[in-house]
Amino acid sequence: KAGVTQTPRYLIKTRGQQVTLSCSPISGHRSVSWYQQTPGQGLQFLFEYFSETQRNKGNFPGRFSGRQFSNSRSEMNVSTLELGDSALYLCASSLARRGQVGEKLFFGSGTQLSVL
Amino acid sequence: GENVEQHPSTLSVQEGDSAVIKCTYSDSASNYFPWYKQELGKGPQLIIDIRSNVGEKKDQRIAVTLNKTAKHFSLHITETQPEDSAVYFCAATFGQAGTALIFGKGTTLSVSS
Repeated sequence: KAGVTQTPRYLIKTRGQQVTLSCSPISGHRSVSWYQQTPGQGLQFLFEYFSETQRNKGNFPGRFSGRQFSNSRSEMNVSTLELGDSALYLCASSLARRGQVGEKLFFGSGTQLSVL
Repeated sequence: GENVEQHPSTLSVQEGDSAVIKCTYSDSASNYFPWYKQELGKGPQLIIDIRSNVGEKKDQRIAVTLNKTAKHFSLHITETQPEDSAVYFCAATFGQAGTALIFGKGTTLSVSS
């Protein structure tokens, strides 16, 4: 079974630009969540999607947004990039069911975003 | 707000020794506590998890213990091997529906042969 696939693997952007990252979950997984990883702040939760609906959101500004498609694939978008957005963005998928709290997350290798 | 504290931040052991990493959490509603291992250039990989209705869980050389009253949980690795060298993260749920996790800051484990 294929794992979580994230594209692209590396990305370089300049301040003020916007970026879209893509995530394909493990087949059959309906929950997709996104995390930001930086050396200073560690792993921080961005948002989670389940069956095309956002069901949890972390404490990030509105410049960070996401969506999920009917095939469970997900994208996240960051608009008006800032230097501090440089990070590894990780996507994780899960078999979590509606109403369930906590389930195993399977992470992709991430997209390394550098903002210059 | 919710918080997970993890100690130590770095841990060096000799091959064959045991390693223990400890975490405390603040949200009393948290009921799911996974541990992840992250190797260089890869995403975190789940190595063991425990739910709040269980006090201890073991999988070969890895075990996790949970004390809900004290709100802390620990990872125990016995007979460490060089391939155990990695960054380990503990995490806890927010206590609401969904899979959202709060992560500790990580422990860099180095196992020397």
